[in-house]
Amino acid sequence: AQKVTQAQTEISVVEKEDVTLDCVYETRDTTYYLFWYKQPPSGELVFLIRRNSFDEQNEISGRYSWNFQKSTSSFNFTITASQVVDSAVYFCALERGGGADGLTFGKGTHLIIQP
Amino acid sequence: ETGVTQSPTHLIKTRGQQVTLRCSSQSGHNTVSWYQQALGQGPQFIFQYYREEENGRGNFPPRFSGLQFPNYSSELNVNALELDDSALYLCASSSRRTSGGQETQYFGPGTRLLVL
Repeated sequence: AQKVTQAQTEISVVEKEDVTLDCVYETRDTTYYLFWYKQPPSGELVFLIRRNSFDEQNEISGRYSWNFQKSTSSFNFTITASQVVDSAVYFCALERGGGADGLTFGKGTHLIIQP
Repeated sequence: ETGVTQSPTHLIKTRGQQVTLRCSSQSGHNTVSWYQQALGQGPQFIFQYYREEENGRGNFPPRFSGLQFPNYSSELNVNALELDDSALYLCASSSRRTSGGQETQYFGPGTRLLVL
């Protein structure tokens, strides 16, 4: 069985601070994909990144960066110089190779950026 | 915006009734997945449709059923509604490769269902 754990239920920081959202996953598969989605109050899940299990390179996209470490089964997400618009619930998700089992989501981290 | 649309946006039903939710996939996508998101929780996978057939299913009872049409749009039907069915229902579209595997799932805005 697959599992995704986001231990941080809620994080509150002041604007311009850096913040890291943690994600730990469990799977027995050798081929899998990891994702981060953002859910603003409107409810729609916004895709941020997809990583396959064979690509451990870290990725940076503007103020966002992701650190994938298979040795610790973690896929952490860092926002640099946070902004109020970053306030949302962030979900980490895991998908088996093949994809027919759907995405397994964590419970999400509610990120609050205070002005 | 992803191009994935869902209707209706909100719905109120009473226990025991039946409901149908609709989803139009993004252009070029051939696969639709449905998820249930209870308040304060992450989305839970209900099922996936590809080529008009159920391609995978999560841990949901048979009263949750679906359809996919030739234009790749999809419906989620829930019979004998229970209070615990109150949730945000999310539809996601993606492109499944004939060689296996699928591309990223893109989500619609969801339908908020309240069962009284």
